[in-house]
Amino acid sequence: GENVEQHPSTLSVQEGDSAVIKCTYSDSASNYFPWYKQELGKRPQLIIDIRSNVGEKKDQRIAVTLNKTAKHFSLHITETQPEDSAVYFCAASHWSDYKLSFGAGTTVTVRA
Amino acid sequence: EPEVTQTPSHQVTQMGQEVILRCVPISNHLYFYWYRQILGQKVEFLVSFYNNEISEKSEIFDDQFSVERPDGSNFTLKIRSTKLEDSAMYFCASSVRQKLDTEAFFGQGTRLTVV
Repeated sequence: GENVEQHPSTLSVQEGDSAVIKCTYSDSASNYFPWYKQELGKRPQLIIDIRSNVGEKKDQRIAVTLNKTAKHFSLHITETQPEDSAVYFCAASHWSDYKLSFGAGTTVTVRA
Repeated sequence: EPEVTQTPSHQVTQMGQEVILRCVPISNHLYFYWYRQILGQKVEFLVSFYNNEISEKSEIFDDQFSVERPDGSNFTLKIRSTKLEDSAMYFCASSVRQKLDTEAFFGQGTRLTVV
């Protein structure tokens, strides 16, 4: 089955700096890669996703890149703000089954 | 905005007891899922459900687990005889269809504590 590794497990950044979270996956058949943000006590919420036919996607301060050859994908948050503090999960899936395989999560703390 | 809702938010049960976790998926969604997250570990897939039957289950989802859609709105996860290691946060999710373009919407979770 799919195995998703996520690094780092914790990340502390100064407000205004960038944050980068990296994930690798094992199943070359995976072709859908969502990122979820989970604030304390709340549900995971999709913030951005990328499909295997695209190498990069951007949505305001958030961007995701995908390297299919190396089987890794990354989340980039620019100009971080205190409200970006949360746990971020990457995940991978194949189109034929929407079962998501999650990374272990990254706790991001943005220092004011 | 439509939401997946789960009840209860926290359930404490004695080892060996049966528990039922409840979920109300978003009304026009057709695919339903249960995931769990043991404290400090990653979110793990348990089971997916479509058209009133299980479409896929993980190795975690053994004979102690069952799912049901008893009516048009609820989707339940039953653990027949709970073990200490079943203590976790259980997330329900739903999606419109099992295709590439579809987001899975998660509920807020039920924290199950087995004592």
